Amino acid sequence: ILNVEQSPQSLHVQEGDSTNFTCSFPSSNFYALHWYRWETAKSPEALFVMTLNGDEKKKGRISATLNTKEGYSYLYIKGSQPEDSATYLCASGSYIPTFGRGTSLIVHP
Amino acid sequence: KAGVTQTPRYLIKTRGQQVTLSCSPISGHRSVSWYQQTPGQGLQFLFEYFSETQRNKGNFPGRFSGRQFSNSRSEMNVSTLELGDSALYLCASRYVPRGGADTDTQYFGPGTRLTVL
Repeated sequence: ILNVEQSPQSLHVQEGDSTNFTCSFPSSNFYALHWYRWETAKSPEALFVMTLNGDEKKKGRISATLNTKEGYSYLYIKGSQPEDSATYLCASGSYIPTFGRGTSLIVHP
Repeated sequence: KAGVTQTPRYLIKTRGQQVTLSCSPISGHRSVSWYQQTPGQGLQFLFEYFSETQRNKGNFPGRFSGRQFSNSRSEMNVSTLELGDSALYLCASRYVPRGGADTDTQYFGPGTRLTVL
């Protein structure tokens, strides 16, 4: 994988559903993996910075895992709420981060 | 603590003109990065300034330049504007501890929406 890729591109879920997205990144010369949440008309907000293979981070109902050997990270949202609706971006790299195109999540009440 | 601020928030220019955007980082943050966000390309890294020096640069033409002042405020300049420069320009600041690793969280500003006619 040469670029950072995210899937799916968009996702519609019902309130209360749990969901997950994938971020794939080049596994060679890995430095760090960042997850951001970007709500419409707001600034991107950092969720997690992950550096070690096997890292698991959690913030409330949101958690993320990291596999640097195979080059992927999963973001999980448990019991989605309408306020979770946003675009979720991941970025890999250090000084020159490469961003994925994001996963747009819409949670319907 | 005040967040990252960017001015102006919206800007309309015509082709061939130049533009200067400003970014004030969070107090104490010495690193400022600039990004361009377009629907077609997503979020792309322009450059990073650290202690008044450009530390890293993305793959953008020389028409895109920047600088950082001693108070860590940063400006980005785009000369000879083209229609394709229409985008949301975001800056982000980061606290870099002296002698520490650069994996710290970036804090983004609200962006400047540039429209080139």
